[in-house]
Amino acid sequence: QKEVEQNSGPLSVPEGAIASLNCTYSDRGSQSFFWYRQYSGKSPELIMSIYSNGDKEDGRFTAQLNKASQYVSLLIRDSQPSDSATYLCAVNSYSSASKIIFGSGTRLSIRP
Amino acid sequence: GAGVSQSPSNKVTEKGKDVELRCDPISGHTALYWYRQRLGQGLEFLIYFQGNSAPDKSGLPSDRFSAERTGESVSTLTIQRTQQEDSAVYLCASSSQRGGPGEQFFGPGTRLTVL
Repeated sequence: QKEVEQNSGPLSVPEGAIASLNCTYSDRGSQSFFWYRQYSGKSPELIMSIYSNGDKEDGRFTAQLNKASQYVSLLIRDSQPSDSATYLCAVNSYSSASKIIFGSGTRLSIRP
Repeated sequence: GAGVSQSPSNKVTEKGKDVELRCDPISGHTALYWYRQRLGQGLEFLIYFQGNSAPDKSGLPSDRFSAERTGESVSTLTIQRTQQEDSAVYLCASSSQRGGPGEQFFGPGTRLTVL
């Protein structure tokens, strides 16, 4: 079992709709969770972090965390073509506190 | 302010040659990370530095790979006797004490092609 799992996609969503990206993790001791966005040919950039159960909203982005289910998600409201990218879920490593584990990413495509 | 920089941006080498990749982190960032990303794949952790020491080298694929960091600043990743499977983009990231390991800032990467 991979430490951080994501559906590779591509996930195709019409412009203006809600895009829902999901991630599961295996380490019950993980405490910190992150979403990075990576445009094609570019480096990843951090867009959201979440540390406690529930929802965290930032503009059109909402991160959701459920530690009991070991599940973290990212919702993008009013999807725009500029949201088309690969979204990487990352989770801190309980065994090595200064390290985070990245999922392999979900490719999101927003169709006009 | 200046972000993370990496050099060279592209490197083409012949199988069996050694290569050295450089990373300049954001000034004041104590932690520095190296990742490898093959085409269409996720990020593969290689090594991280806290200051000048490397508490976790678990991701280095073989003894052909080594890295060092000096002056709590610049880091170099060296690959000896390169193989074709070493072809990938090598990404460096840094993070501050305040931001923690999850808030990493990435450089533009070095694209390595081994012929």
